Amino acid sequence: DAGVTQSPTHLIKTRGQQVTLRCSPKSGHDTVSWYQQALGQGPQFIFQYYEEEERQRGNFPDRFSGHQFPNYSSELNVNALLLGDSALYLCASSFGAGGFEQYFGPGTRLTVT
Amino acid sequence: QQQVKQSPQSLIVQKGGISIINCAYENTAFDYFPWYQQFPGKGPALLIAIRPDVSEKKEGRFTISFNKSAKQFSLHIMDSQPGDSATYFCAANGEDDKIIFGKGTRLHILP
Repeated sequence: DAGVTQSPTHLIKTRGQQVTLRCSPKSGHDTVSWYQQALGQGPQFIFQYYEEEERQRGNFPDRFSGHQFPNYSSELNVNALLLGDSALYLCASSFGAGGFEQYFGPGTRLTVT
Repeated sequence: QQQVKQSPQSLIVQKGGISIINCAYENTAFDYFPWYQQFPGKGPALLIAIRPDVSEKKEGRFTISFNKSAKQFSLHIMDSQPGDSATYFCAANGEDDKIIFGKGTRLHILP
């Protein structure tokens, strides 16, 4: 049973560029949530996708956008990268719109220079 | 409010001892309280979780104690082992499904 997978593992981008991160949920899960984890901090909720729609959103600017595909996989896009966007980006999957048990992937380490 | 306050920030415990991490919340709409364990370079792993209708939940060496009236909950790790050395996050969910995380506790178990 495959867990949550994310790609790429690491990424280095230049300020102002755009980045796309990818996530495949755990088998049987249909909901994907994205989190940003700065060094030494707890994860911060970005948004959640269910049935290919953004269902909930945290306090992140519109530069952060996402998409969910019919196979439940998801992408996180960040435009106009800032140095402060450097962080570990985590994807978590769960079952159903009210699924509380969220399982996290290993994350994508994004460095903006 | 959407805060979850966690303490201590770091903790050193002797092998075989009891590790205790505390959390407090303010939003009474929270109704699910998970604990996550995170090793360096890895994503958080769901360790144990509790609903507010019970005061304690035990899974192996890990126990959550929950005090609904005080809006506090804690994680106890019995017989702590060096392999338990990691960062632990308490968290809370409400009906909006956003997980709100504490800032984490870096636990180090001395061999």
